[in-house]
Amino acid sequence: GDSVTQTEGPVTLSEGTSLTVNCSYETKQYPTLFWYVQYPGEGPQLLFKVPKANEKGSNRGFEATYNKEATSFHLQKASVQESDSAVYYCALSDPPSGSWQLIFGSGTQLTVMP
Amino acid sequence: DAGVTQTPRHEVAEKGQTIILKCEPVSGHNDLFWYRQTKIQGLELLSYFRSKSLMEDGGAFKDRFKAEMLNSSFSTLKIQPTEPKDSAVYLCASSGQGRSSYEQYFGPGTRLTVL
Repeated sequence: GDSVTQTEGPVTLSEGTSLTVNCSYETKQYPTLFWYVQYPGEGPQLLFKVPKANEKGSNRGFEATYNKEATSFHLQKASVQESDSAVYYCALSDPPSGSWQLIFGSGTQLTVMP
Repeated sequence: DAGVTQTPRHEVAEKGQTIILKCEPVSGHNDLFWYRQTKIQGLELLSYFRSKSLMEDGGAFKDRFKAEMLNSSFSTLKIQPTEPKDSAVYLCASSGQGRSSYEQYFGPGTRLTVL
């Protein structure tokens, strides 16, 4: 079945440093890929999505490129801020195959120190 | 627009009790999902409805978990009887139609503690 694997956490960074959270996926079809972010006491919220291979998604300084050949979708940010502290989830859905549910990775807890 | 609403936000139950969690999806959304979130297992799908019809019923959760969609704007998740291992955050999400239909919008969750 479909699966998503991402960087094990927790990750602790200093403000101003760069972030990379690795995400790789397995699916037989052509999924849409997502990054979600979850703050304490809230549900996950969409950071951005990319429906097509070789395209890039971005929001709030975060970006990721849908790499079909490498089956990867790594999240990057050049300079993190304390307010970026949260749990980040990579996810996929594959509606063309009839599956509308989101398959989530295990989540990566990010803490940014001032 | 109002987002996904979940009530209660916190629930404490004794082992063996029946509890009912409630969810109101985003107005106009056709798809509704229930998830369980724990530190060890992460996000697990419990149920998925499309236009009020049950599309997915997470196999491992069929035994004591029952989700219903009474109308297009209200869903419940019943756990009967509760066990301590059910302690988790229960999340409801909804999604719409068209090009945005792949995106799910989550509620704040209900934190359940079973003693």
